[in-house]
Amino acid sequence: EVQLLESGGGLVQPGKSLRLSCAASGFIFSNYAMSWVRQVPGKGLEWVSLIILSGASTYYADSVKGRFTISRDNSKNTLYLQMNRLRAEDTAVYYCAKGHSSFARVVPFDSWGQGTLVTVSS
Amino acid sequence: DIQMTQSPSTLSASVGDRVTITCRASQSISSWLAWYQLKPGKAPKLLIYKASSLETGVPSRFSGSGSGTEFTLTISSLQPDDFATYYCQQYDSWTFGQGTKVEIK
Repeated sequence: EVQLLESGGGLVQPGKSLRLSCAASGFIFSNYAMSWVRQVPGKGLEWVSLIILSGASTYYADSVKGRFTISRDNSKNTLYLQMNRLRAEDTAVYYCAKGHSSFARVVPFDSWGQGTLVTVSS
Repeated sequence: DIQMTQSPSTLSASVGDRVTITCRASQSISSWLAWYQLKPGKAPKLLIYKASSLETGVPSRFSGSGSGTEFTLTISSLQPDDFATYYCQQYDSWTFGQGTKVEIK
């Protein structure tokens, strides 16, 4: 069974940094693209970032480009999101999600974690 | 950037109704379109991918159609468990629509 467990969320001041982690199990982590998606409370889903299998290519939403960095450690089956220069509008539940098909970039997300809440406030 | 527009934003329906949600892309995305169901406090659930392929384990009352820029999600007979918010997503560059809330009439 695929399991994705996010951690690292919490309350942080504007301008500060936070790193999210997503521990994966139940599948061959290194074979799948992985992504972060967020949801502002009461609002819709917003795709944040995606990383391909090896980590050689990464993609970002314009709203986070230059501030957030996605990475992965395939030896630890773990996905990361380093969030710098945080803003109030980054307040959201952050979900880790797994790509649907192995060895592919153009994928929907077939498994999701339960999410971790990031609150940016002074 | 590819923009995704869903309609309606809210839909009121009764158990047993046939429900259709529309999603339009600002440019052609071929069939790179997925539909998700989201309930409060739960992880999103993939329902449909490649515009019309049913994800494993999803009831057959859910179906998807379309290609290019116009797509639909249909629930053939709405069940109590189906009251939720539905999102389309183009996964050429992964953007989501704004969501359609299906509520009890």
